Amino acid sequence: DTGVSQDPRHKITKRGQNVTFRCDPISEHNRLYWYRQTLGQGPEFLTYFQNEAQLEKSRLLSDRFSAERPKGSFSTLEIQRTEQGDSAMYLCASSLVVDGYTFGSGTRLTVV
Amino acid sequence: GQQLNQSPQSMFIQEGEDVSMNCTSSSIFNTWLWYKQDPGEGPVLLIALYKAGELTSNGRLTAQFGITRKDSFLNISASIPSDVGIYFCAGMMNYGGSQGNLIFGKGTKLSVKP
Repeated sequence: DTGVSQDPRHKITKRGQNVTFRCDPISEHNRLYWYRQTLGQGPEFLTYFQNEAQLEKSRLLSDRFSAERPKGSFSTLEIQRTEQGDSAMYLCASSLVVDGYTFGSGTRLTVV
Repeated sequence: GQQLNQSPQSMFIQEGEDVSMNCTSSSIFNTWLWYKQDPGEGPVLLIALYKAGELTSNGRLTAQFGITRKDSFLNISASIPSDVGIYFCAGMMNYGGSQGNLIFGKGTKLSVKP
């Protein structure tokens, strides 16, 4: 068990570019969550998958954001036409049941 | 987005001191969680609470799930330098359409007294 893995750890992109982040959950975990954390704030829920089904999306997830978990294992989060306000830490977490789950180390996005 | 009211926002500790922080909400939660986050890392789960009134310990950490289900507190006894970091409370929504989403507080930053 290597924990929840996120890639890349850091990403700097120019405004207007598209970016994609990857999350590899703990292997037997069927639930996968994405959160966003800005400086000085707690993480905020973005979306949730159970296996490959995306079951819930936050209002924070604008139409420029899309998340997938095609085979119920790893997940990707894509942001299209990035804006400076998208600069944040993007955290992925996974769990086996509805319980206190394990977070990855996050991807820090800076939009310049 | 919705966040919980967590206090204090920051505090300075001297090694050996006990530390208390708390979290309140206008909503009822079925589960309360406490996480610690170090710079550049994701939050790490410290304690999970599942029942109103529950008091749970994890080493020098003790947390309680408030009887109204709208609050929780975390105590750290005999603090040590590695306790420095940001502590977050989180309430879990696991009813209706929300299965396992966490609502976080803004964090309590623990620093060492100069």
